[in-house]
Amino acid sequence: AQSVTQLGSHVSVSEGALVLLRCNYSSSVPPYLFWYVQYPNQGLQLLLKYTSAATLVKGINGFEAEFKKSETSFHLTKPSAHMSDAAEYFCAVSDKGGATNKLIFGTGTLLAVQP
Amino acid sequence: DVKVTQSSRYLVKRTGEKVFLECVQDMDHENMFWYRQDPGLGLRLIYFSYDVKMKEKGDIPEGYSVSREKKERFSLILESASTNQTSMYLCASSPGTSGYRDTQYFGPGTRLTVL
Repeated sequence: AQSVTQLGSHVSVSEGALVLLRCNYSSSVPPYLFWYVQYPNQGLQLLLKYTSAATLVKGINGFEAEFKKSETSFHLTKPSAHMSDAAEYFCAVSDKGGATNKLIFGTGTLLAVQP
Repeated sequence: DVKVTQSSRYLVKRTGEKVFLECVQDMDHENMFWYRQDPGLGLRLIYFSYDVKMKEKGDIPEGYSVSREKKERFSLILESASTNQTSMYLCASSPGTSGYRDTQYFGPGTRLTVL
């Protein structure tokens, strides 16, 4: 069965600093991986996804993530944090056990950006 | 742009009431999903549907049922609301054309409080 683990339920960075949000996956088959962002009082929005093409995936708002099979990781990064990046971020893996793309979500990381 | 709408942003109900949460998508998507989101637990799948009148249980279906009479509409029903069903409920849809690589598109969520 597939699963994801997000290390750090809360991360705080200064404006302009590097953002690094960690996600490790567990999967017996090649995974499809997603990062979603949830701004306050809103639904989830796709940031980026890995579907076995390039291992470095670029997303919206300057975010990117690198798929590392040897480390079973898919960490999310942004070189320079902006105040508008404050949100909750969810990593998810597609559950390949059924016919439909069920997603299995991590527990989320709340990112705070300090001025 | 894909739009997923949910009938209410905030809802307050009493224990024992029957509660209906409605979700509508406007992109002719095949698949629709209901999740609940709780702090520290991430998103957990309640039910999903891959076709009209078809439904499958997710990870936490107890106390819930669903209905999909039309392709664009997916309803979540709490037969007899209980306080432990106080949560944020998120609806999502996906095209059904790319299998496990499909992106799920989320509505804004309904925050349900059961007193």
